Amino acid sequence: AQSVAQPEDQVNVAEGNPLTVKCTYSVSGNPYLFWYVQYPNRGLQFLLKYITGDNLVKGSYGFEAEFNKSQTSFHLKKPSALVSDSALYFCAVRDYSWGKLQFGAGTQVVVTP
Amino acid sequence: DGGITQSPKYLFRKEGQNVTLSCEQNLNHDAMYWYRQDPGQGLRLIYYSQIVNDFQKGDIAEGYSVSREKKESFPLTVTSAQKNPTAFYLCASSPGIYNEQFFGPGTRLTVL
Repeated sequence: AQSVAQPEDQVNVAEGNPLTVKCTYSVSGNPYLFWYVQYPNRGLQFLLKYITGDNLVKGSYGFEAEFNKSQTSFHLKKPSALVSDSALYFCAVRDYSWGKLQFGAGTQVVVTP
Repeated sequence: DGGITQSPKYLFRKEGQNVTLSCEQNLNHDAMYWYRQDPGQGLRLIYYSQIVNDFQKGDIAEGYSVSREKKESFPLTVTSAQKNPTAFYLCASSPGIYNEQFFGPGTRLTVL
C-alpha cells in the first residue's frame, strides 16, 4: 500500500528566509509525486509533480522540490519565502499501477513579516 | 480553481436528510473525483469516475452515492446513512487517472 508522511504539522519561517516542507513516501513501484497548496476555504492548487527525469523539479510561484529515491523523500522548497506563501501544503503520491492519489495530512506554513 | 465549479459554497442540513452537492467541469476531463477533508487528516477519496456511466468506490464510500450521466457533471449525494457528514467536500478532475488533478473551490457541509 502507498502512504505519505508529512512530519511537521506547522512550519514557521520569516519572510525572505528559505522555506522547506518535508515529505516522505512509500510505494511498491516507481512513485508519481505531487505538491498542492490550499488557501483558507479554497480548493487545492497544483504546484508541481515528479514523474521521471531530473530529481529537481521546478513548479509554480518559485517553488521547487527535490526527489531523493534513497531517502524516499520529496521535500518542497522555496529560496525566499513571502508572507503570501502562508497556506496549507499537501504532498501526494501515486503508484504507477493505480491512479489513486494518497495525500499526506498537510503542513501549515506560516510566514511572518 | 480553474474550470471546476462546486455549489453551493456552504450547505446546512438537518440530521436524517439527504443532500446533493454539485460538481461541474468544463475542462473536457474524463476522470472526476470526490474527496472529503477533515482537519488534520488530509484528503480522503470518496468516489471516482474514469468515464461517463462508470464510477468506483474510494476509501470512505459508505453513506455516499454518486452518478456520472454526463462527462461534465459528477454530483455527490450525502445520505442519512453517513454518520458524521460535517466536513469540507472537494471535487476534482483530471484528463485521465494518471494525470495531476485539478480541484474545485469546495463545499462546506454542516449538519445541524
